[in-house]
Amino acid sequence: AQSVTQLGSHVSVSEGALVLLRCNYSSSVPPYLFWYVQYPNQGLQLLLKYTSAATLVKGINGFEAEFKKSETSFHLTKPSAHMSDAAEYFCAVKRQNFVFGPGTRLSVLP
Amino acid sequence: SQTIHQWPATLVQPVGSPLSLECTVEGTSNPNLYWYRQAAGRGLQLLFYSVGIGQISSEVPQNLSASRPQDRQFILSSKKLLLSDSGFYLCAWRGQFNTEAFFGQGTRLTVV
Repeated sequence: AQSVTQLGSHVSVSEGALVLLRCNYSSSVPPYLFWYVQYPNQGLQLLLKYTSAATLVKGINGFEAEFKKSETSFHLTKPSAHMSDAAEYFCAVKRQNFVFGPGTRLSVLP
Repeated sequence: SQTIHQWPATLVQPVGSPLSLECTVEGTSNPNLYWYRQAAGRGLQLLFYSVGIGQISSEVPQNLSASRPQDRQFILSSKKLLLSDSGFYLCAWRGQFNTEAFFGQGTRLTVV
């Protein structure tokens, strides 16, 4: 069975600092991978996706993620955090259905 | 373009009352449809998914049911709500040629 782990339920960074949100998956075959963002009391919005093309994927709002098969990882990064990036971030994997990680809440400090 | 509508946005219901949450998708045909629940401080739990009219798969046995009476309509129901049914319910769809899912704005259900 597939699973997704996200190291760190809560991450705090200063405005302008690097954002790194970790995601590891378990799958015998590289799946489709996604990062979603959720703002309070809203649905999930797709940030980016990996579908076996380029291993470095660029998404919206300056985010990007790198697929590393050897590490079974798909970490999300952004060079410079903005206050508006404060939200909950979910990593997800899809084979037959979507499986979501537990989420990481990102706080951005002024 | 495709859009997904989910209502109501918030709902407060007494224990033992029935529930009906509705989700509709526009601009696509024969989508895969999903109901997820998000409990406070937790990730998303897949409740039901549907690949076509009248075809419902349940991922977790519980006090809820789902129906798909039309191609782009997905309904989440309960005959008698429990306190543990409180949470944030999200509807999502995936097109035949999409890899990603698209989410509605969610319904916050509070059972009192």
